[in-house]
Amino acid sequence: GESVGLHLPTLSVQEGDNSIINCAYSNSASDYFIWYKQESGKGPQFIIDIRSNMDKRQGQRVTVLLNKTVKHLSLQIAATQPGDSAVYFCAETNTGNQFYFGTGTSLTVIP
Amino acid sequence: KAGVTQTPRYLIKTRGQQVTLSCSPISGHRSVSWYQQTPGQGLQFLFEYFSETQRNKGNFPGRFSGRQFSNSRSEMNVSTLELGDSALYLCASESGRGAETQYFGPGTRLLVL
Repeated sequence: GESVGLHLPTLSVQEGDNSIINCAYSNSASDYFIWYKQESGKGPQFIIDIRSNMDKRQGQRVTVLLNKTVKHLSLQIAATQPGDSAVYFCAETNTGNQFYFGTGTSLTVIP
Repeated sequence: KAGVTQTPRYLIKTRGQQVTLSCSPISGHRSVSWYQQTPGQGLQFLFEYFSETQRNKGNFPGRFSGRQFSNSRSEMNVSTLELGDSALYLCASESGRGAETQYFGPGTRLLVL
């Protein structure tokens, strides 16, 4: 079956520092990836996505990097703010019909 | 556009009962997926519906079922509830036209006593 894993279950960063959240995936045929943010008591919120024909994509304060050679995905958050504290999930799909999610990384921003 | 809505938001049931949860996707979206989320677990895929047909199914027992209506709204049903069914149930909608972004609702938190 599919396997999407996160390297670190928890991450603590100082406010203003950059955060990097990592994700490994096992299906080399996966062609679409999404990062979600989930705050306590809420559903996952879309942050940024990337397709397999790209290596890097930037959004507002966030950057996603895709390394297909080692099947690794990362989310970089610049100038991390307290409001960034949440659980972050990566998701992958190779057909668009079913997404596979990692277990999540809990990011805590220290003021 | 309105986002994905789920009702009810909270639910308390007892073992053996059944429950029906509802999800209204984003307007124009034809695919609805359901997930179960429990503490310490990732999102576990239940099933996906597209144009009123179940297109994919996860590894859950037959007590978990769903359906989709012609307006793309979806319901999931859990019969003979067990304590372990206590979880946050999330639905996500997408256009259904291949690999596109899934947008999640706020979830229904189910507590089974």
